[in-house]
Amino acid sequence: GQQVMQIPQYQHVQEGEDFTTYCNSSTTLSNIQWYKQRPGGHPVFLIQLVKSGEVKKQKRLTFQFGEAKKNSSLHITATQTTDVGTYFCAGPSAGGTSYGKLTFGQGTILTVHP
Amino acid sequence: GEEVAQTPKHLVRGEGQKAKLYCAPIKGHSYVFWYQQVLKNEFKFLISFQNENVFDETGMPKERFSAKCLPNSPCSLEIQATKLEDSAVYFCASSQQQNYGYTFGSGTRLTVV
Repeated sequence: GQQVMQIPQYQHVQEGEDFTTYCNSSTTLSNIQWYKQRPGGHPVFLIQLVKSGEVKKQKRLTFQFGEAKKNSSLHITATQTTDVGTYFCAGPSAGGTSYGKLTFGQGTILTVHP
Repeated sequence: GEEVAQTPKHLVRGEGQKAKLYCAPIKGHSYVFWYQQVLKNEFKFLISFQNENVFDETGMPKERFSAKCLPNSPCSLEIQATKLEDSAVYFCASSQQQNYGYTFGSGTRLTVV
């Protein structure tokens, strides 16, 4: 079945350093979504990318969707302690009856040392 | 409201007991999804609805799990005869459109002892 893989699993950075997480799908995606989950919290939708090669920015966060629409990345510039959490990518599940069902990556756990 | 309301926040059940979880989606969101998040952060899809109709139930262990979304009532997820492996956080999410971002509820942590 469809797989969405994320690397790295963990990332520890010093405050002010940059951070990147990568997401790869075994199938072409119609769109890719990114979520952030704080420790003990629930996932919060960050963004959706739809077009091949699309790049979107939200303040210090930069999201990219690959040309083949099978991979994506999230880059955070100059991390802050508020960036701590798990970042998940998710893509629509393969198959004609997916009806909005998402396949999530395993997440990248980001810790930021002040 | 603009949040997905899940109750209860925590639920403890003895093995074999029934558990019932509730979710009120955002008004105007037609799609409701239930996911189970286990210890390694993995999200397992359970079931989805479009309004009160089941859209996709391919993730449901049908012999023990059931779910409903009835008009003018919160959606519910019921587990008959809980097992230890059902211990997880159960998230409900709603969406205004297919293939658009979800708004998640705060989750129900189910512990089966």
